[in-house]
Formats: sequence, C-alpha cells, structure tokens
Amino acid sequence: NAGVMQNPRHLVRRRGQEARLRCSPMKGHSHVYWYRQLPEEGLKFMVYLQKENIIDESGMPKERFSAEFPKEGPSILRIQQVVRGDSAAYFCASSPGLQTDTQYFGPGTRLTVL
Amino acid sequence: GIQVEQSPPDLILQEGANSTLRCNFSDSVNNLQWFHQNPWGQLINLFYIPSGTKQNGRLSATTVATERYSLLYISSSQTTDSGVYFCAVEETSGSRLTFGEGTQLTVNP
Repeated sequence: NAGVMQNPRHLVRRRGQEARLRCSPMKGHSHVYWYRQLPEEGLKFMVYLQKENIIDESGMPKERFSAEFPKEGPSILRIQQVVRGDSAAYFCASSPGLQTDTQYFGPGTRLTVL
Repeated sequence: GIQVEQSPPDLILQEGANSTLRCNFSDSVNNLQWFHQNPWGQLINLFYIPSGTKQNGRLSATTVATERYSLLYISSSQTTDSGVYFCAVEETSGSRLTFGEGTQLTVNP
C-alpha cells in the first residue's frame, strides 16, 4: 500500500507567481490535512478536507490560499501571488476517517520563493 | 486552543546512551502521536498513543492522559536517531493535530 504522495517535492517560484501543491492520500483514506512548517519551527495546521468538502480551514490565511479535494484526483493546495514569507515545507497527511485515527504524513513539498 | 510543550528543546548524546523526551499538553485529547523528522525533512510516524504504553524495538512511549503528559524513551541510541522529535495532539473538539516545538536530538558516534 503506497503511502501519502506529494508532488512536486521541491518547487521554486518568483514573487507574484502561483504555486500548486498536490497530495494523493493513502488508498482507502478519505480525509486529508495540510500543515505548514516554517524554517526552524514546528508544523502548523492549515486545513482539513474530506472529498468535495472543506471541514476546517481555520488555520489557513484568509487571502491567497485555497484548498480543494475533488471527487476524483488529488487534493490541491493553491497559493496565489506568492511572497517570500510563503517559503516553507508544506506537508499533507491522510487518515481513513475513523473515530480514532492515525494521521499519515507525506514527504512534503519544499516551496522556495525568490 | 490546546498548548503542547516539549522538553528538552535540545539533547546531545553519545551513541549507546538512553534518553527520555517529554510532552505536556494543556487539555484532554483524542489522539497523541510521536514523530521523528529526519535530517532530510521526512516525518516518520513513531507511535499513535492516546493512552497507555507501547514499544517498538529500541523506542517506547507512555501517555498518562489523566495527567496530560507523554514520554518517549530511546534506548541504546544510534547516530541514525538524530533529528527532531515532535509530539502532536488532537483535541477532543476537532481533528487537527497541534504540534509541539520539538526536541532536537543529536547522537554523536
């Protein structure tokens, strides 16, 4: 059973460009979470999604950031008009959606904004 | 929101030594996980342990939910144990994980 997959693993963008980060959950998992790790810091929750629904986006910046988890295909975290402060590692996790869940993390996407 | 504190923030060991990492949390939790982030940045699940004790090889963990703390034990440490160890908890009110700031472990040969 393949683990959580994220791509790209590394992404370089110039200020003002858009960044799209993809996450394919583990097989059989219907819940996806996105977390951000700024340099030298711990991980911070951004958004929690189920198929076609955003359950909790309280950790996501109100502007420029959006997330989706369509019925078919991977979950996408989209950052518009990136700024240098968006440089970070973005981790996706998935769980099967049971009451007591382990969240399994992908390898992360390291975004660098020039 | 819930607060998660990890100690010590940094730990340097000689290969073969034992260590104990601590995680305190400020409220009741549904879930507690320990992770190892290796020097390449990958997050590795170590334990899912909302209560009780578990062991996996040289690592073991104990969570005392009523007293709101968890301990991670590393025995006979190896250089490959180096990295950052994170504790993360899920509040009873939701599904998000709240991470501590981590313990940076360095194991010297």
